[in-house]
Amino acid sequence: GEDVEQSLFLSVREGDSSVINCTYTDSSSTYLYWYKQEPGAGLQLLTYIFSNMDMKQDQRLTVLLNKKDKHLSLRIADTQTGDSAIYFCAEPYPSNTGKLIFGQGTTLQVKP
Amino acid sequence: NAGVMQNPRHLVRRRGQEARLRCSPMKGHSHVYWYRQLPEEGLKFMVYLQKENIIDESGMPKERFSAEFPKEGPSILRIQQVVRGDSAAYFCASSPQGTGETQYFGPGTRLLVL
Repeated sequence: GEDVEQSLFLSVREGDSSVINCTYTDSSSTYLYWYKQEPGAGLQLLTYIFSNMDMKQDQRLTVLLNKKDKHLSLRIADTQTGDSAIYFCAEPYPSNTGKLIFGQGTTLQVKP
Repeated sequence: NAGVMQNPRHLVRRRGQEARLRCSPMKGHSHVYWYRQLPEEGLKFMVYLQKENIIDESGMPKERFSAEFPKEGPSILRIQQVVRGDSAAYFCASSPQGTGETQYFGPGTRLLVL
């Protein structure tokens, strides 16, 4: 069935690294996405990874993909207070459609 | 290059009224998707449209909800005879092509039904 799972809450101190985890459903998904939602705002595309990659790095963001375990993670280095938001992972499901399935979102709290 | 535009940003309706939510996709994008976010939940897919066509409406409630994306003008999500349970944030996304393309989201319309 379609189910994308995320832990609901993560609290870190400013300057630490944050790791947000996600397990997804469809091993044939071509892309997997991370979106960021600040309070009262829409979803901002943060990054994505193509399914034939294990890792993608983009400045402070590192995405790791373990296809065998259907596990996706987002690491934010040197976390700042401006990173406080809800982070959603998403996959197209079924993989050949335009429909995105989202996790419940992980609320990241960054303490000064 | 303007992003996805949605209006209104906030909408208050009384039970039984109609709600019309508008979405203008990014320039050059011809595919539009609507999602609903209930309080404290993730986004749930509702409908996927291309100009003048509904491609996938598997997430739309069977009654009271409809969507269109005319040849000219924005996409409209229409909710007739709203009930309190319709209170949610409704997000629109667009992509240049369809399946497999990255979706870019608008700021959302927050609907409150009194």
